[in-house]
Order: sequence, then structure tokens, then C-alpha cells
Amino acid sequence: QLVESGGGLVQPGGSLRLSCAASGFNFSDHYMDWVRQAPGKGLEWVGRIRNKINSYSTEYGASVEDRFTISRDDSKKSLYLLMNSLKVEDTAVYYCARTTHSDAYFIDYWGQGTLVTVSS
Amino acid sequence: SYELTQPPSVSVSPGQTARITCSGDALPKKYAFWYQQRSGQAPVLVIYEDKKRPSGIPERFSGSSSGTSATLIIRGAQVEDEADYYCYSTDSGGNYWVFGGGTKLTVL
Repeated sequence: QLVESGGGLVQPGGSLRLSCAASGFNFSDHYMDWVRQAPGKGLEWVGRIRNKINSYSTEYGASVEDRFTISRDDSKKSLYLLMNSLKVEDTAVYYCARTTHSDAYFIDYWGQGTLVTVSS
Repeated sequence: SYELTQPPSVSVSPGQTARITCSGDALPKKYAFWYQQRSGQAPVLVIYEDKKRPSGIPERFSGSSSGTSATLIIRGAQVEDEADYYCYSTDSGGNYWVFGGGTKLTVL
């Protein structure tokens, strides 16, 4: 299970930190992703954090790179998304997602999402 | 930036076969994945690595890939299959992932 929290209303230029609590699987083994969906729009990949074996390295989508930071705390089975310099266009439901591996790495399970609204 | 292209909508009658395409330059070398998103719900994985079906997904869902296109096939589509479907893949470098724009499937 993946449960996101921390969403809400924030002013343009502000910051917000989202959290995702994981349970029911070995969190530390998995890469984890954030994906967002603006109201009435499609899915947009935000970024990924790898596991400890892969140095917790991160990748980000072009629209959020340099503003958003993904981190994790394996001891708490938690994933985080720190969002800075927020823009109106960052308004979206933010999903926490588990990545698994077969022949490739891919998202196999999603949380229910948390809504972030950026507005003055 | 890399893009995956899907048709905005596909419409079929119940029992017919629905085909949803996804085009991308890196697809000859990268897998395609497909997600179903019903209204107001989180996405669900229905096909991974071009043609593999996760446990719990009905057999009527299948996938194929050829050249720069991948296709999600729903044989004998049912009303409950009405949803938005998104393809998902990575650029040629393998580190940046993208979703297609989504296809709204109507079954009626």
C-alpha cells in the first residue's frame, strides 16, 4: 500500500513537501517514482529515486528539474517530494508509485494521490 | 524532449476489438508499458514489456510492438473497459520516462 500526504494550497513561489508511506512490501529494495496529473490532463512523470545499492540516485522530468527533489528514508519506509519555486502549472494530483524490475524497470503499483493546488 | 503519441480517443461496441496505438522513436529498442485509468481512480498496469500481462488482468488485454509503434489490444471489449489508457516508455538513454498523452476508450 502507498499512501500520499502533504498536499494542499500553496502560493506561487512557495514550497511544499509531499510524503508517501509504504507498507506491505520490502520498500528498500525498490526504486520509487513520483507522477503527477493536472486537472483534466494526462499523466506526467516527475522523477525517480533508486535504491541504496544504486546510491539513491535520482532522475527528474524536464519541467521540474532544478526545482523538485526526491528523497527517501528506508528506515521509515517513506518517500518524499520537496517542491520549491512552485508555479501555477504545478497544480496536479501527485502520485507515489512503486517501480519493479523484470527485464526493465517500470511502475507496477500506484498510491491514490494527493492534490497540490498552486494559487494566489 | 522525447514524446509518445497516442490517438485522443477510440470507440468500439461491446464485444469488438479495440486497438490503441503508441508511437515513439525509441520504441524499436525500448519496451512499452500500458496503464488503465478509470475515472477518479489511480492508474493500473495492464501490460508490461510490450506484451506481458500482470496477474489479475483479464486475458482479453494483450500488447504488441513493431518498429516505432506499440499497440494495446482489447479483444471482446466490455463496458467496464471504458477508461483512459496511457502508454509509458523511456527515451533512448533509458533514464527519462514519459507517458503518452492518453487515449479515451469508449465502449458503447
